[in-house]
Amino acid sequence: DVKVTQSSRYLVKRTGEKVFLECVQDMDHENMFWYRQDPGLGLRLIYFSYDVKMKEKGDIPEGYSVSREKKERFSLILESASTNQTSMYLCASSSRIAGGIYTQYFGPGTRLTVL
Amino acid sequence: DQQVKQNSPSLSVQEGRISILNCDYTNSMFDYFLWYKKYPAEGPTFLISISSIKDKNEDGRFTVFLNKSAKHLSLHIVPSQPGDSAVYFCAASENYGQNFVFGPGTRLSVLP
Repeated sequence: DVKVTQSSRYLVKRTGEKVFLECVQDMDHENMFWYRQDPGLGLRLIYFSYDVKMKEKGDIPEGYSVSREKKERFSLILESASTNQTSMYLCASSSRIAGGIYTQYFGPGTRLTVL
Repeated sequence: DQQVKQNSPSLSVQEGRISILNCDYTNSMFDYFLWYKKYPAEGPTFLISISSIKDKNEDGRFTVFLNKSAKHLSLHIVPSQPGDSAVYFCAASENYGQNFVFGPGTRLSVLP
């Protein structure tokens, strides 16, 4: 079974703090993703990575950065947390399955509250 | 502008009946579609997928139908069970799953 783990389930931070969210997958997947989930908006892609040291902006990258130094680990960084970054953050990884298509596997999520 | 829409934020169905969740998309380049199920405080889990070369895919109680001309897909759950109560997300990709666009989700409640 694919396992995607996230460093924290719940996190409370103050405005202006630097925040690190860690994600680790154990299936040697090439691709990793960070989403945020907000009510009525679904999952919105923040950043993704196709390989080590590679990163691509998603739909809402502003206020975030990422790091992928090792294949299994993808970190999301909030340089200076703001209250509008209070959300559920979901990490996912994917790889090709039969037929040349991909399926994404998600971690349990981190509920971040910025006060 | 949302490329993937799920116009029903919530749906209630009696146990044993059929649940039909709908999804509409605007990008005709989408070629692969997934449904995910999400319980509170958990990450989404993959449920079923369909490629644009098919119009139906079935897996146990779950069937997904794709109408490419209408840019519409639907997930049918028969029979519905209380454990199916969750938020269901529709997702679409235009490069066979390299990355996905998600809809806003539909909360399904199956009443005993």
